[in-house]
Amino acid sequence: DAGVTQSPTHLIKTRGQQVTLRCSPKSGHDTVSWYQQALGQGPQFIFQYYEEEERQRGNFPDRFSGHQFPNYSSELNVNALLLGDSALYLCASSSRHRGAYEQYFGPGTRLTVT
Amino acid sequence: KNEVEQSPQNLTAQEGEFITINCSYSVGISALHWLQQHPGGGIVSLFMLSSGKKKHGRLIATINIQEKHSSLHITASHPRDSAVYICAPFSYNTDKLIFGTGTRLQVFP
Repeated sequence: DAGVTQSPTHLIKTRGQQVTLRCSPKSGHDTVSWYQQALGQGPQFIFQYYEEEERQRGNFPDRFSGHQFPNYSSELNVNALLLGDSALYLCASSSRHRGAYEQYFGPGTRLTVT
Repeated sequence: KNEVEQSPQNLTAQEGEFITINCSYSVGISALHWLQQHPGGGIVSLFMLSSGKKKHGRLIATINIQEKHSSLHITASHPRDSAVYICAPFSYNTDKLIFGTGTRLQVFP
């Protein structure tokens, strides 16, 4: 049973570019949450997807957008990258049926913006 | 006041010592996670608990829902336990995880 997977593991982009990060949830999970963790900080909630719709959103600008596919996998898109977007991006999956509190984390994608 | 308070913020121990990390929270929760993050690494979930106590090898987590307090204990600590430990209660009001600031543990041989 594969856990939560994320790709790529590392990414280097230039300021102003756009980036897409991907997440595949744990088998049997239908809800995906995305978090940003800046260096030395705790994770910050970006948004959550369920049934291919954004259900909740944290305090992040519209440059951050997402998508969920029918197979429950999800993408996080960031436009017009800023240096401050450099962070570890974490994806966590859960099952709406079992409760969103039972979240499993992926290994993360480390994004560096130069 | 933060919704989640962890103590201590930094902890240094000698190999073999018994470690305790504390977490207090002010919100109503469905469950609480203890997470581990090694330097430069991703997050690993150690425990999810909503009552009582759980044990995994040398790690023990306890929670007191009435007192809104949880503890993570490490028995016979080892240098490979060196990591940041994060307490993350799941708020049933906001339906989201709330992350503590983390406790940085260093265990020396």
